[in-house]
Amino acid sequence: NAGVTQTPKFQVLKTGQSMTLQCAQDMNHEYMSWYRQDPGMGLRLIHYSVGAGITDQGEVPNGYNVSRSTTEDFPLRLLSAAPSQTSVYFCASSPGFSEQYFGPGTRLTVT
Amino acid sequence: AQSVAQPEDQVNVAEGNPLTVKCTYSVSGNPYLFWYVQYPNRGLQFLLKYITGDNLVKGSYGFEAEFNKSQTSFHLKKPSALVSDSALYFCAVSDQNSGYALNFGKGTSLLVTP
Repeated sequence: NAGVTQTPKFQVLKTGQSMTLQCAQDMNHEYMSWYRQDPGMGLRLIHYSVGAGITDQGEVPNGYNVSRSTTEDFPLRLLSAAPSQTSVYFCASSPGFSEQYFGPGTRLTVT
Repeated sequence: AQSVAQPEDQVNVAEGNPLTVKCTYSVSGNPYLFWYVQYPNRGLQFLLKYITGDNLVKGSYGFEAEFNKSQTSFHLKKPSALVSDSALYFCAVSDQNSGYALNFGKGTSLLVTP
């Protein structure tokens, strides 16, 4: 099992550009989520999904879109990047009320 | 609404001494509590969890945590710290009312000195 994979590892965007952060898991987990990590802020939930075709907003959803067409994939789209979106992004998956398995992260810089 | 507090930004411990990283929580239902560790430039690794059952939970790398319902706490402990335990530690909570979403504390940096 590869677990949770994220691409790219690093990305630099200019303000206003759009991009998609990819996340995939091969553990057949129903629950997937996206977090952003900022210094001194812990991890904050952006969006989550409890199964294919079902998504919901977390604590900080503005400026981000998600979709879940398959159990395996949960991409995060930045519609129009802003410097405030400079962060490290983590994807996670879970079989339910249990521990979440985290990907290695994507470090995004918006200039 | 649920919340997690980690009152210490940093904990310093000498190698071989016991360590404690504190966590208190607030939830509306029964809590599901987790500890994760993050090494530099890495993702989060699961250490241990409390869902139900014994209040003392044992996890990876010799860590344990005690669920205290009356004090709404879930402190992480280890009897004898190692230099390699130096990392960032996160406490997280969820409950049945929040679905599967985790609410994380801000993290505590643990530094173990030789």
